[in-house]
Amino acid sequence: EVQLVESGGNLVQPGGSLRLSCAASGFTLSDHFIDWVRQAPGKGLEWVGRSRNKANSYTTAFAASVEGRFTISRDDSKSSLYLQMNSLKTEDTAVYYCAREIQGAFDIWGQGTVVTVSS
Amino acid sequence: QAVLTQPASLSASPGASASLTCTLRSGINVGTYNIYWYQQKPGSPPQYLLRYKSDSDKQQGSGVPSRFSGSKDASANAGILLISGLQSEDEADYYCVIWHSSDVVFGGGTKLTVL
Repeated sequence: EVQLVESGGNLVQPGGSLRLSCAASGFTLSDHFIDWVRQAPGKGLEWVGRSRNKANSYTTAFAASVEGRFTISRDDSKSSLYLQMNSLKTEDTAVYYCAREIQGAFDIWGQGTVVTVSS
Repeated sequence: QAVLTQPASLSASPGASASLTCTLRSGINVGTYNIYWYQQKPGSPPQYLLRYKSDSDKQQGSGVPSRFSGSKDASANAGILLISGLQSEDEADYYCVIWHSSDVVFGGGTKLTVL
């Protein structure tokens, strides 16, 4: 079964750091772009960033709201991708989803992991 | 002004059709964009429905019923998700998406109520 599973969400203080994981199964992670999308409580969806595939040298791109604070890395041997979040702000509080991207469409989504930034 | 504007809510009756609009900001021409549509039910992640650029360039998501279809209204500079034969299970939030300046832009979402 093609699946993505996020983990690592937690309560963290403003200014703190957190690393989210996204574990892939049922497909070859290195062949695919993977994006992160978040949803603040009661709000809509917001694109966070993207990790391109091996053929595109695993380059990344981020939304302006997180540029310089968030990074994405991969460990293809573990079929996993990581979202490192630094200098967290209260407005980063959200459910974070990883999603597989194919030709611009997010065809597979994880169930999400909850990040709460609060003192 | 937001890049993509969706009405906050829409109500329709079972068996009827619902037309959900996604209006692009002035200066962004709907004709040049793929419009992606997603459905999200409470407590669940979004699900990909379809992509629409034109009648000759479109894609239905895997397993998505044909009663979900896309179109565009060039005069309104808008993408449209049409849901025909509404069912109670169609009650959900619907989001449109475009890729603009290398970024992914989500519309604010429309809450569809089937009653």
